[in-house]
Parts: sequence; structure tokens; C-alpha cells
Amino acid sequence: SYEVTQPPSVSVSPGQTASITCSGDKLGDKYVSWYQQKPGQPPVLVIYQDTKRPSGIPERFSGSNSGNTATLTISGTQAMDEADYYCQAWDSSTHYYVFGTGTKVTVL
Amino acid sequence: EVQLVESGGGLVKPGGSLRLSCAASGFTFANFKMNWVRQAPGKGLEWVSSISSSSNYIYYADSVKGRFTISRDDAKKSLYLQMNSLRAEDTAVYYCVRVGMTTVTNWFDPWGQGTLVTVSS
Repeated sequence: SYEVTQPPSVSVSPGQTASITCSGDKLGDKYVSWYQQKPGQPPVLVIYQDTKRPSGIPERFSGSNSGNTATLTISGTQAMDEADYYCQAWDSSTHYYVFGTGTKVTVL
Repeated sequence: EVQLVESGGGLVKPGGSLRLSCAASGFTFANFKMNWVRQAPGKGLEWVSSISSSSNYIYYADSVKGRFTISRDDAKKSLYLQMNSLRAEDTAVYYCVRVGMTTVTNWFDPWGQGTLVTVSS
């Protein structure tokens, strides 16, 4: 089955840029979504179709996807961005969904 | 406002059954693919099952295939998950999610608040 991996944790200082990677075989051939989850809350979509931001998501969230790696970038990171982040891809051939292992972002 | 509200979770013994429900509001439920996603305590997200609009296409994760059944009632704007032969490893918060989609990709938005299923003797 298809798998995608993420670093367990990323630390960033307030105002700096956080980059969260999601790696999988030829992941660039698929579209990737990203979700933010804060403790005790359901996940929230922050990026879909690699680069698109849903309504209400701040511009500091951006995404890219090429080769074997997708990246979620948080520019000017704020304390409120501290959360777990998950990438997700959809396999159009099997119609299965796969989530990344999740990355805990800590704003120091 | 788009809203998804799950119910039906609880404590069940191994080998038992449980039926989860998800009540949708604020959008035309019949037009959307719907999914169940779960999260074991302290763990990551795991896709469970998917059902297309009109119920023509149904898919299950290998971990639940043959034990879980997804269904929908468009008249009641409701999504269901019948869970049989439950195991300890099925213990998780189960989320109902609406699927946004194009021909080449799917994404989950929004998510319900989730309902906790605990399988334990």
C-alpha cells in the first residue's frame, strides 16, 4: 500500500518560517492536502490540491509538491500555529486515501 | 453553516457491534461523497471508508474490510457506519467528513467533532 512519511516534529521561532515535508514515491504525481489539528479538536483543512487555500485560512500558509516531496510552509509563524499537521493524498487508481504520519509544530 | 454531527460511539466488548451516525446540515448532502476517518488515542489519522453520492461507489481500508459497512440516507441527510466484530485496535475517535473533489483529487472539509469508540472487555 502507498505510504507517506513526515518528520515527527518541527520547531520554529515566532515570526520565522516553518517547513513541513511529506514524502512518498512519486508523490508529485498526486495532489496533496494538509490539515491542522489542535489538541482536543478535529482537523481543519489548510491546503488542498497542493497549493490552494480554503476560505478563511491565512495567507501565511502555502503548499508545494514536486518529485517525491510535498511541503507545507508557514511564513511568519505565530503562536496560534502550534499544532499537529497531517498531509493526505488520494490514490485515483485504488480510490484509497492515505495520511502522513503527522508533524508536531512547536513555536518556541 | 455546514455542520456534521456524529453520534453512536461508546464502550463495547471485543467482538461486539456498534452503529455510528452522522447528521449533516447546511449543504446539499446528496451531492457529496462522504467518508469516515478515525484517530486512535494519541495516534495519527487513518482513513476508514468512503461512499459516493448516490452510493454507487464504496471503498474500505483493508483494516476494516469485511467488518464495517458504510451507508447513507440522503432523505435524512445522514451517514452511517455499521461496525461488527470490533477489536481493541478499533478504539478511536471516528470523524465524519465531507469530501471536496475534482476529477483528479479529493480532500476532506469539513470534519465533524468526532465520536469516541472504545473496544474493551
